[in-house]
Amino acid sequence: NAGVTQTPKFQVLKTGQSMTLQCAQDMNHNSMYWYRQDPGMGLRLIYYSASEGTTDKGEVPNGYNVSRLNKREFSLRLESAAPSQTSVYFCASSDSQGTDTQYFGPGTRLTVL
Amino acid sequence: QKEVEQDPGPLSVPEGAIVSLNCTYSNSAFQYFMWYRQYSRKGPELLMYTYSSGNKEDGRFTAQVDKSSKYISLFIRDSQPSDSATYLCAMSALWGSARQLTFGSGTQLTVLP
Repeated sequence: NAGVTQTPKFQVLKTGQSMTLQCAQDMNHNSMYWYRQDPGMGLRLIYYSASEGTTDKGEVPNGYNVSRLNKREFSLRLESAAPSQTSVYFCASSDSQGTDTQYFGPGTRLTVL
Repeated sequence: QKEVEQDPGPLSVPEGAIVSLNCTYSNSAFQYFMWYRQYSRKGPELLMYTYSSGNKEDGRFTAQVDKSSKYISLFIRDSQPSDSATYLCAMSALWGSARQLTFGSGTQLTVLP
C-alpha cells in the first residue's frame, strides 16, 4: 500500500516549456487535489476532482490544467511554464466522507528558469 | 484578512518543553479541524483531527478547539528533537462540489537537544 505517489520528484524547466506532473493513489479515494506550496503562503489549492470524471478550479488555477484519468490517477499540466510557477507541488486524496482528512504525496519540486 | 491565521514562528524550544501552537479562523462554516506535520522536504502528514469544541488527546499531543472563539491549538508535551518540523493547521468546509481544506501558513518548530 503505497498511498499517494507523485512523479517526478524534481524538475527544472525553461520558461515556455510544458510538462505534466503525475499523481496516483491506491486507497480507493473518490476525491483528489493538487496544491502548490510557497514560502510563507501555506498550501494553496490549484484544482480538485470530487470524483472520477469531474474537475473544478481551486484558489490558484491560472496557468494549469488537470485530467482525472481514472479513479486512481490525477495529472497536472503546465502548458507554458513561467518563473512564477516555481514551487513545490503536492497531490492529495480523500475519501470525502467522515473527517475530510487528506493524504498527501511526497511532492514535486519544480524550478522554472 | 486570511480565513486562517497561523503564527509562522520560527519557534525554538529545549527538549522536554511544552509547545503550544495556535490558529485562528474567521469562517463559521469550518466543521473539521486538523493538524498536519511536515518534515523538511516531505509531504504533510495528518497528526490529529477534531470535530467538536473541546480537547482530544493522542499520546504527547493534545488538540483543542474553541468554536465560540474560532481558535484551535495543538499542545506537545515532553517535546523531542524528532518533533522538529513545520506544523500546519487545516480546516474543512464544503466548497463547490467537494469538501476542501483551508490551511494555515504553518509554524516552524525546532526542539533543541
